[in-house]
Amino acid sequence: AQKVTQAQTEISVVEKEDVTLDCVYETRDTTYYLFWYKQPPSGELVFLIRRNSFDEQNEISGRYSWNFQKSTSSFNFTITASQVVDSAVYFCALGSSNTGKLIFGQGTTLQVKP
Amino acid sequence: KAGVTQTPRYLIKTRGQQVTLSCSPISGHRSVSWYQQTPGQGLQFLFEYFSETQRNKGNFPGRFSGRQFSNSRSEMNVSTLELGDSALYLCASSLSGTGWQEQYFGPGTRLTVT
Repeated sequence: AQKVTQAQTEISVVEKEDVTLDCVYETRDTTYYLFWYKQPPSGELVFLIRRNSFDEQNEISGRYSWNFQKSTSSFNFTITASQVVDSAVYFCALGSSNTGKLIFGQGTTLQVKP
Repeated sequence: KAGVTQTPRYLIKTRGQQVTLSCSPISGHRSVSWYQQTPGQGLQFLFEYFSETQRNKGNFPGRFSGRQFSNSRSEMNVSTLELGDSALYLCASSLSGTGWQEQYFGPGTRLTVT
């Protein structure tokens, strides 16, 4: 069975702090894809990053970075120097190679206080 | 390029009624997936359509159905509405619906069943 676990339900930080959102996944597929989406209060899910199971390189995009470790089935997301605009719900999701179905975690609500 | 559009944005229905929601994917995208988002269950996959065919289906009762037209626009229908169907219904499109492609989400339709 496929499953995504985001153990942190809510995180609250003060602006400029670094914060890491955890994501642990389960799958029996050898080829799979991991995603992070951001859902601001407006409700629309915004794509942040995609990683495939063969690419364990970490990625950095501005203040965002992602750490993918197959050995621990984790795909964690770090925001450096958080800003109030980062306040949102963040979802980690798992997709398989031949379908459009995404399995989402329960989401982590991040609140960044000024 | 226009994003994914969903209509209506808000809907209030009464128990027992039926409802039809519409989704227009990004131009050129042939895969449309539907998700239900509730506070208790999170984001759950409903079904996916590709080239007018349902390719995947989630664990929802038969009251939930959908279809896709030749122009890739999709509709989902919920019959005999129950209070528990109150949710944000999100539609996502991608080029071909394979797991390696990011899905682009619409703003959602907020359905309230009274």
